[in-house]
Amino acid sequence: QLQLQESGPGLVKPSETLSLTCNVSGGSINGSPYYWGWIRQPPGKGLEWIGNIYFGGSTYWNPSLKSRVTISVDMSKNQFSLKLRSVTAADTAVYYCGRATGNPYYYGMDVWGQGTTVTVSS
Amino acid sequence: QSVLTQPPSVSGAPGQRVTISCTGSRSNFGAGYDVHWYQQLPGTAPKLLINGNTNRPSGVPDRFSGSRSGTSASLAITGLQAEDEADYYCQSYDSSLSVVVFGGGTKLTVL
Repeated sequence: QLQLQESGPGLVKPSETLSLTCNVSGGSINGSPYYWGWIRQPPGKGLEWIGNIYFGGSTYWNPSLKSRVTISVDMSKNQFSLKLRSVTAADTAVYYCGRATGNPYYYGMDVWGQGTTVTVSS
Repeated sequence: QSVLTQPPSVSGAPGQRVTISCTGSRSNFGAGYDVHWYQQLPGTAPKLLINGNTNRPSGVPDRFSGSRSGTSASLAITGLQAEDEADYYCQSYDSSLSVVVFGGGTKLTVL
């Protein structure tokens, strides 16, 4: 059974870089046709798509975050990562990693991590 | 406000049928992009309920069904149960904004 687990600092200072990793277990990250991605949820609010990556390198970004976001895959460790630069308090959220069952423009996310809370504060 | 519009709340008694609407536009549903639905129980990650308008992933009860027509979509829940009390989100892609979009979410209360 495929499982995803987010890890990373729970507290990040303003203007610094938020870095999270999603470990994939019970399956391979280099399987087709899956796309691996990140979604966040600010406290008390709805879901916001950050972006997705295919193991072969194709990436899809939220245009509002694109200039600050990097998503990468490490096949040797069976994990993928998120880096969000120049964070502000508006980036405080629960961050979820997940798997889309195909191109994220056309398919939903069928497996989710439990989520990790990241607070941006000095 | 969200590109996809959902009612903030709906309610129903146990055993009843409720529907949750998700209203889009010509650049998402109207352009042929599918709708996906998620259930989020309090304090947990979202769970995929409906993929590609009508498809239930393995393990999702057939009490849950989805549809899409024109620029709107809906999720129907029949035989309402107490454990269905949760937030529900619709998702699609908007070609005008070039972004995966979610509805604002609907809180379902089981009376």
